[in-house]
Amino acid sequence: EADIYQTPRYLVIGTGKKITLECSQTMGHDKMYWYQQDPGMELHLIHYSYGVNSTEKGDLSSESTVSRIRTEHFPLTLESARPSHTSQYLCASSEGTDDQPQHFGDGTRLSIL
Amino acid sequence: LAKTTQPISMDSYEGQEVNITCSHNNIATNDYITWYQQFPSQGPRFIIQGYKTKVTNEVASLFIPADRKSSTLSLPRVSLSDTAVYYCLVGYEGGKLIFGQGTELSVKP
Repeated sequence: EADIYQTPRYLVIGTGKKITLECSQTMGHDKMYWYQQDPGMELHLIHYSYGVNSTEKGDLSSESTVSRIRTEHFPLTLESARPSHTSQYLCASSEGTDDQPQHFGDGTRLSIL
Repeated sequence: LAKTTQPISMDSYEGQEVNITCSHNNIATNDYITWYQQFPSQGPRFIIQGYKTKVTNEVASLFIPADRKSSTLSLPRVSLSDTAVYYCLVGYEGGKLIFGQGTELSVKP
């Protein structure tokens, strides 16, 4: 089984709060990703990283930011949460070459009131 | 990036073999074909990956014809726990996976 962990699993919080979603992997993977998924819908890539100090925006515009200071850690931050940020956020990692499958965490289900 | 087309939903009964076909007419020479499974409230889980012909592992088989314009995921003797969404992905765009809507498989008793 893949060792990639996301915390918290569920978060209900008020509008305007600063939120950080944590993602850690113990596999030493260089590549890490954040996806957003609404119920019954497909996953959309919002951020990715190819290694330490590397971050890029994905295909879906997002008001969140990410950082990659350590290989194993890829947190996602919302500076001021809004109800439109309510969604499931999934973190994934993969080895270096493009044909390697991605390993996903179980996600954080975020609800902004 | 090769676009994929797969059925939105499928129904099956326990013990049956299920085949889910994915079309990818503009697959590139270097593209691999990868299938993921996703249960509600969980992240997708890698099932199987192939390039050509047939690949088999402990949970599924993947059949790829010579022209590689389609692929079929075969799940032998499904059980209720195989009820999930199955995604077919082809290739990478700059190292990024592009997910489609997937096939929602419902297994009934």
